[in-house]
Amino acid sequence: NAGVTQTPKFQVLKTGQSMTLQCAQDMNHNSMYWYRQDPGMGLRLIYYSASEGTTDKGEVPNGYNVSRLNKREFSLRLESAAPSQTSVYFCASRRTGQRLGGEKLFFGSGTQLSVL
Amino acid sequence: AQKITQTQPGMFVQEKEAVTLDCTYDTSDQSYGLFWYKQPSSGEMIFLIYQGSYDEQNATEGRYSLNFQKARKSANLVISASQLGDSAMYFCAMRGSSGGYQKVTFGTGTKLQVIP
Repeated sequence: NAGVTQTPKFQVLKTGQSMTLQCAQDMNHNSMYWYRQDPGMGLRLIYYSASEGTTDKGEVPNGYNVSRLNKREFSLRLESAAPSQTSVYFCASRRTGQRLGGEKLFFGSGTQLSVL
Repeated sequence: AQKITQTQPGMFVQEKEAVTLDCTYDTSDQSYGLFWYKQPSSGEMIFLIYQGSYDEQNATEGRYSLNFQKARKSANLVISASQLGDSAMYFCAMRGSSGGYQKVTFGTGTKLQVIP
């Protein structure tokens, strides 16, 4: 009963380094999302994927790329990290369908990323 | 374009009293969904309640109810009988449906503090 699994939980990068945040869900959801949350702020949508093979930009996509590898996995890549990308990153997947208990976003536990 | 607005950065409520957290939204979509999430200081995102745009009745989940006023484009969260454990950040979110892509965007949040 894992739900949404994000790795790593913590990461420190130097400016210019690259890294990939991994996200996987085991609930057979079509839609998946990546958000960032800066201190004292709300969640801002980076990218989302409505289904396997499709991705689209959210509110703050610059500096990021995503891959929807299959239905389970949706990764977020920082090609050249910048201090402005220091944030907490959340992955989520969305359940649809009234008969399943209604719509709901399931969140991972977050990744605390610091870029020095 | 869809937009979620939470105009109350912070709120105080006396323990055992009811409190209303405001949320207004803007969308041209006919079909959409509205969510409320709680984020305690530990950082996890906790689902509270969901309302679909075609749902005729206001959603309720235990002590939480969503006051959905479609014409006014508002989706306020009502917490009855506040408890100390309700102290947290509360986020309103909306799922749109434009173009077949169903992005979910969040408001900036309201910090609720319950006073003993």
